[in-house]
Amino acid sequence: KNEVEQSPQNLTAQEGEFITINCSYSVGISALHWLQQHPGGGIVSLFMLSSGKKKHGRLIATINIQEKHSSLHITASHPRDSAVYICAVGGAGSYQLTFGKGTKLSVIP
Amino acid sequence: NAGVTQTPKFQVLKTGQSMTLQCAQDMNHEYMSWYRQDPGMGLRLIHYSVGAGITDQGEVPNGYNVSRSTTEDFPLRLLSAAPSQTSVYFCASSPRGGLAGHYNEQFFGPGTRLTVL
Repeated sequence: KNEVEQSPQNLTAQEGEFITINCSYSVGISALHWLQQHPGGGIVSLFMLSSGKKKHGRLIATINIQEKHSSLHITASHPRDSAVYICAVGGAGSYQLTFGKGTKLSVIP
Repeated sequence: NAGVTQTPKFQVLKTGQSMTLQCAQDMNHEYMSWYRQDPGMGLRLIHYSVGAGITDQGEVPNGYNVSRSTTEDFPLRLLSAAPSQTSVYFCASSPRGGLAGHYNEQFFGPGTRLTVL
C-alpha cells in the first residue's frame, strides 16, 4: 500500500507570502492529485499530474517521479486560500486513490 | 449541470439502524466512488464502481453495501449502523472508468455528516 505523507500539517502565513506544501509517497504512481477542501467541507480538484509541472492562476504544482515527491505552491497568498490541501496518488494498475491527511493553511490579512 | 449531489446533508442514527446515503451525478461519468473522512486521517475508499452493474470493495468496505443499476446513481447502504461509522461521507465521480479512472479529475459531492449514537 502506498504511504502518502504531507508536510507541514499546519501552516499559517501572512497575506502575500509564497507558500509551499509538500507531498511524498512510497511507491511509484501513475497519477497524483492535489485537492482543496474548503472550511465548509466541500472538496474540489486543483490539479492532476503524471509528470512535470502545471500552473493555474496563482497555483503551481510540480512532481518529481524519481524522488516520489510533489509540491504545491501558492504565490501571493490571500485569505481566501485558507483551506485544507490534500494530496492523493493513484498507482498503475489500481482503481484506488490513496490520500494524505491534508495540510491546513491559514492566511492572515 | 448539478454535478455530484448527495442526500441527506446530515443524519443521526441509533446503533443498529439501517439507512441509505444517496449519490447522483449528471455528467455521465463512468467511475464513481464512496469515501469516508475521519479526523486525523485521509479520505479512505469504501466502495467504487467503474460502470453500471460493476462494483468493487475499497479499503474499508465492512458494514457497507453498494449497487450501481444506472450510470447516474450510486447509493451507499449502511446495514446495521455502529458508532464506528460516525464520519463524513463523500461521493465522487470521474469521467472515465477502467484503470484510467484515477487519471481523471475527481468531482466530489458536498458530503453527508453521519452520527451514530
